Amino acid sequence: AQKVTQAQTEISVVEKEDVTLDCVYETRDTTYYLFWYKQPPSGELVFLIRRNSFDEQNEISGRYSWNFQKSTSSFNFTITASQVVDSAVYFCALSEGAQKLVFGQGTRLTINP
Amino acid sequence: DGGITQSPKYLFRKEGQNVTLSCEQNLNHDAMYWYRQDPGQGLRLIYYSQIVNDFQKGDIAEGYSVSREKKESFPLTVTSAQKNPTAFYLCASSMIQGANSPLHFGNGTRLTVT
Repeated sequence: AQKVTQAQTEISVVEKEDVTLDCVYETRDTTYYLFWYKQPPSGELVFLIRRNSFDEQNEISGRYSWNFQKSTSSFNFTITASQVVDSAVYFCALSEGAQKLVFGQGTRLTINP
Repeated sequence: DGGITQSPKYLFRKEGQNVTLSCEQNLNHDAMYWYRQDPGQGLRLIYYSQIVNDFQKGDIAEGYSVSREKKESFPLTVTSAQKNPTAFYLCASSMIQGANSPLHFGNGTRLTVT
C-alpha cells in the first residue's frame, strides 16, 4: 500500500535560515508521481511541484529546491533564506495509477521574524 | 479569474442534521474531489468524480453522499450517519483523471457539529 511519512510535525526557524522538510514514501509501483503542496492560513492547498518516478533530477525554483532520491524513497523540500510568508503547512503526496493522492500528515512551518 | 469556490466558509449544525457543502469550479475541469482534513492529519479522500453523473467512493465515504449533475458543481452532503463530522472539508478539481494532473483546491469549509 502507498504511504507517505512526514516525520516533522512542526518546524520553527528564524527568518533567513534555510530549512528542509522531509518526505519519505512507500510504493510498490515503478511508475508514480510525487507532489508538494503548500497550505497557507487561508486554507486552500497550493500546488508547488510534481515529479514522476523516472525523473530524478533535482529542481530549483527561486528559493525553493527539491531533492528526489529513489534509493532512499525520499522527496525532500528545501527553502533557502526563509521568509515569514513561507509560514504554512506543507504536504507531500504520492499518486500511482488513478488520481488518488495519498497525503502525508503535513509539516507546519513557522518562520519567525 | 478561474477557480474553485466553496461555500460557506464556516458552517455550524446540530447533531442529527444533514448538511450540504457547496463546491463550484469554473476551470472547465473534468475531475472533482472532496477531501477531509483533521488536525495533525493529512487529507483523506471522501469521494471523487471523473465525469458528470458518475462518482466513486474514496477512502472514507461512509456517512457522506455526493452528486455530479453539472460539470461545474460537486456538492457534498454530510449525513447524520457520519459519526464524527466536525472537520475541515476541501474540494478540488483537476483537468483530467490521472496521476500526473495537479489538483486545484478551494478555500475549504470548516464544519462544526454540536
